[in-house]
Amino acid sequence: DGGITQSPKYLFRKEGQNVTLSCEQNLNHDAMYWYRQDPGQGLRLIYYSQIVNDFQKGDIAEGYSVSREKKESFPLTVTSAQKNPTAFYLCASSMGRTGAGEKLFFGSGTQLSVL
Amino acid sequence: AQTVTQSQPEMSVQEAETVTLSCTYDTSESDYYLFWYKQPPSRQMILVIRQEAYKQQNATENRFSVNFQKAAKSFSLKISDSQLGDAAMYFCAYRSAGYGGSQGNLIFGKGTKLSVKP
Repeated sequence: DGGITQSPKYLFRKEGQNVTLSCEQNLNHDAMYWYRQDPGQGLRLIYYSQIVNDFQKGDIAEGYSVSREKKESFPLTVTSAQKNPTAFYLCASSMGRTGAGEKLFFGSGTQLSVL
Repeated sequence: AQTVTQSQPEMSVQEAETVTLSCTYDTSESDYYLFWYKQPPSRQMILVIRQEAYKQQNATENRFSVNFQKAAKSFSLKISDSQLGDAAMYFCAYRSAGYGGSQGNLIFGKGTKLSVKP
């Protein structure tokens, strides 16, 4: 089945530690996104990438980093500079070629908590 | 900057009845898209319906329809014949139609939690 796979489902971070969230898609989509969701809040954009080897900051990029070395993969690293990393993280993808109205496909998310 | 407001944190509906979820937004742009996404307990976001600002006709997808009032900047979602599986968080979202840096950003409201009573 085509879709987006996020792993792990749950992740725990110690103080000062960097952690990486995985996102893989087999939909042949050009565009990929990372969103953060806090309780009682909507989603906020962290980073997005419209093509391999290129990505742009979203509204809340500080303390996060990404890479896009392959079309299928868009990993997110939560660095020690992110002082409040506890949140639910959602990865999404879209064709990236049909305009702003195109549908985003979401993964099932990663819940990150601080130990 | 664009904002999206959902004024109903929680709503409840009886199975088989109709419910309307409210959404207002603020923008100075004339061309944009509006979306309703559903987040069930599995927490995976699912697109319910979308509307292009330039289309006057309200979008419809089976039991889901919208009431798009561009001048009032209102975009409500109507769910007819509510089913138990409709219980979820519903998020209204806005996206500029412009290309470049703004294309990636879906701006979400805070959501409305819908409960469906059997």
